Amino acid sequence: DTAVSQTPKYLVTQMGNDKSIKCEQNLGHDTMYWYKQDSKKFLKIMFSYNNKELIINETVPNRFSPKSPDKAHLNLHINSLELGDSAVYFCATKIGGTDTQYFGPGTRLTVL
Amino acid sequence: GENVEQHPSTLSVQEGDSAVIKCTYSDSASNYFPWYKQELGKRPQLIIDIRSNVGEKKDQRIAVTLNKTAKHFSLHITETQPEDSAVYFCAAVQGAQKLVFGQGTRLTINP
Repeated sequence: DTAVSQTPKYLVTQMGNDKSIKCEQNLGHDTMYWYKQDSKKFLKIMFSYNNKELIINETVPNRFSPKSPDKAHLNLHINSLELGDSAVYFCATKIGGTDTQYFGPGTRLTVL
Repeated sequence: GENVEQHPSTLSVQEGDSAVIKCTYSDSASNYFPWYKQELGKRPQLIIDIRSNVGEKKDQRIAVTLNKTAKHFSLHITETQPEDSAVYFCAAVQGAQKLVFGQGTRLTINP
């Protein structure tokens, strides 16, 4: 269960604030992702990094900025939080050349 | 881009009966189709997957079938048990390993 970890697990904040959520994996995987799961449970990819390089950037507001300091970490910084940003954010990882993605436990973000 | 449609959105079956969830995809280049199970408050967990060069795959009570021509794939759960209750997601991998998910099916097993 600790192979892919996220911090914090819960985050409650006010509109307009800036916050970061972090993902760490100890699987040695090359590729990491951020997904957003909204209140209707719909899962949608936001970003993907491969060996610290951004390879997927969906149509996400530029208030969202991912950063991968090294292969084991992928962080997500969100500026000027809005009510619609409330969701569960999942990190996922994958070994290069394979297909299976492993999800982290999620961070539930609530914007008041 | 890829679009994945999943039906039904909710499914209720009696314990011991079978459950079938169906998905269709739009991009004929998609070649990998995983199914994830998500229990309440938990992460999505892979339960079975299938590649485009295979028509069917089975793992104990769970099976997945793929019809490439029709671009649809299905999850079959036999002898359902209460612990099978969860939200199930199908997905298709498009291009640069991007998972595109279906809308999810909330499966309830009635004792």
